[in-house]
Amino acid sequence: GAGVSQSPSNKVTEKGKDVELRCDPISGHTALYWYRQSLGQGLEFLIYFQGNSAPDKSGLPSDRFSAERTGGSVSTLTIQRTQQEDSAVYLCASRLDGHEQFFGPGTRLTVL
Amino acid sequence: GENVEQHPSTLSVQEGDSAVIKCTYSDSASNYFPWYKQELGKRPQLIIDIRSNVGEKKDQRIAVTLNKTAKHFSLHITETQPEDSAVYFCAASIGSSYKLIFGSGTRLLVRP
Repeated sequence: GAGVSQSPSNKVTEKGKDVELRCDPISGHTALYWYRQSLGQGLEFLIYFQGNSAPDKSGLPSDRFSAERTGGSVSTLTIQRTQQEDSAVYLCASRLDGHEQFFGPGTRLTVL
Repeated sequence: GENVEQHPSTLSVQEGDSAVIKCTYSDSASNYFPWYKQELGKRPQLIIDIRSNVGEKKDQRIAVTLNKTAKHFSLHITETQPEDSAVYFCAASIGSSYKLIFGSGTRLLVRP
């Protein structure tokens, strides 16, 4: 079956612009996570969705970051007024009932 | 806050030797500990995991041990092969969201 997909795979933007990153989880997976991986670093938790609600947003670095999920499926991570320090790979993961999280291929964001 | 420390940051072994990567976690409520393998430019892939009610788990050449008292867990790879070369991340699952707190990663190089 299809795994987690993300788009775009690469995004280059100018400082100050807004960007939207998309995640399509595995069909039927109710839990969805966003993580950020800076160059050579580990993964940093950003936000967790259960269905369409986000009970844990504790990892969002600032109010420039927001995310939503609609129909219990697709999620969009939005970064407003991008800064150079936002450059990273943004990874999405989904989970069904157990503990295992399945990751997407990520979106590499470069802010010039 | 929650923290996972991982050592070493880099590890070079001869093909056929064993490799050991160690992690410690801070939150005693953590109850699930996965290990992910990430090849260059690829998504993280789960290779093995362990729950807090188990002390050791083995899958062919890979094993994980957990010491809840000391709050540390380790990945053991035996009979290493060049295709084991990758970055390995440990993680601990926190709270009802099952969000993962990741270590900073270990770059494993297996020399043929």
